[in-house]
Amino acid sequence: EAQVTQNPRYLITVTGKKLTVTCSQNMNHEYMSWYRQDPGLGLRQIYYSMNVEVTDKGDVPEGYKVSRKEKRNFPLILESPSPNQTSLYFCASGLNDQQPQHFGDGTRLSIL
Amino acid sequence: KQEVTQIPAALSVPEGENLVLNCSFTDSAIYNLQWFRQDPGKGLTSLLLIQSSQREQTSGRLNASLDKSSGRSTLYIAASQPGDSATYLCVPSLNDMRFGAGTRLTVKP
Repeated sequence: EAQVTQNPRYLITVTGKKLTVTCSQNMNHEYMSWYRQDPGLGLRQIYYSMNVEVTDKGDVPEGYKVSRKEKRNFPLILESPSPNQTSLYFCASGLNDQQPQHFGDGTRLSIL
Repeated sequence: KQEVTQIPAALSVPEGENLVLNCSFTDSAIYNLQWFRQDPGKGLTSLLLIQSSQREQTSGRLNASLDKSSGRSTLYIAASQPGDSATYLCVPSLNDMRFGAGTRLTVKP
């Protein structure tokens, strides 16, 4: 089954404790991206990757890092999480940025 | 910077009605435009994608149109059903994807 898998689905943690949200897709997609969704602000892009070893900043990259060492995986790293990063995060992938995007089920992060 | 506006923000209709969701965007230089639905607590599901060279796309009871020059897209839902209740998002795309705030649709049985 074609899917985008995010882990964990839910996480409650404390300020400053490094965390990684994993994203994996099994569709051999070149394009992957991360978004955060906040009430009243909608979905905003954090980072995107056009292909392996190619990443670019989206609208709200501050406080986040990503890596794309292999095509299927695109982890989102919060080196020193802060409460303003409490949000619902989505990973997405597509053949390229011009094709339909497939979204994961989301990861709800709470930073205390 | 691309700005996306969706009207109405919320809509409640009885089952069986035909309805139109509107989307406007400020930068007409786009590759394509996608319509997604999002169910509460869930991810996004792509409904339709219209390439910039196309005027409309149809899938079942859904029809999306695109007028790139005027920066507008509409999503038409025919014979609405309670299962259509969700938030619908309009997303024009160039090198990245810009999301509108969405229209929250409730279809009452």
